[in-house]
Amino acid sequence: AQRVTQPEKLLSVFKGAPVELKCNYSYSGSPELFWYVQYSRQRLQLLLRHISRESIKGFTADLNKGETSFHLKKPIAQEEDSAMYYCALSGAGANSKLTFGKGITLSVRP
Amino acid sequence: GAGVSQTPSNKVTEKGKYVELRCDPISGHTALYWYRQSLGQGPEFLIYFQGTGAADDSGLPNDRFFAVRPEGSVSTLKIQRTERGDSAVYLCASSLKASGRVEQFFGPGTRLTVL
Repeated sequence: AQRVTQPEKLLSVFKGAPVELKCNYSYSGSPELFWYVQYSRQRLQLLLRHISRESIKGFTADLNKGETSFHLKKPIAQEEDSAMYYCALSGAGANSKLTFGKGITLSVRP
Repeated sequence: GAGVSQTPSNKVTEKGKYVELRCDPISGHTALYWYRQSLGQGPEFLIYFQGTGAADDSGLPNDRFFAVRPEGSVSTLKIQRTERGDSAVYLCASSLKASGRVEQFFGPGTRLTVL
């Protein structure tokens, strides 16, 4: 069975502070890991995926297979980063359904 | 171009009634997914289509739920004899093909309230 755990519901930081949103997963095989973001009154959208190994809006995430983690990090938070963040997992092949964590609300205060 | 659209945006119904929720995927996307998001939870997978056929319906909670995609484009999620526990936001997503490496694009969702 595939499972995604986001242990915290809310993270509140001041602008300019570093951010780390935690994500742990369980999957028997090689998973594809994603972070999705939902800004206020907008639809769910892809932020980044581990296969791309890229930085989006200053965010990065490294897949750690030993710790089965995919934490999202940003060194300097901006107010516009305030949103709901979901970690998600799928299989690499045709098993493409996404399994999401419960999500975490990031609040960046001025 | 246009993204994934869903209608209606809100649906209020009474317990026991039948409802249909519609999803229009991005043109050319062969894979279409339905998820359900209850309050305080992440989206949960219901069913996905590759073309016209349901490739995986393992997430449908019971036989009151059914989905179709007769022409490989628009999909309808049908819920019979609705219950209060069916209240949730129903999300649709589409992708170019059914692969874990291909991005899924989400619609705005339909908020279903069963009174």
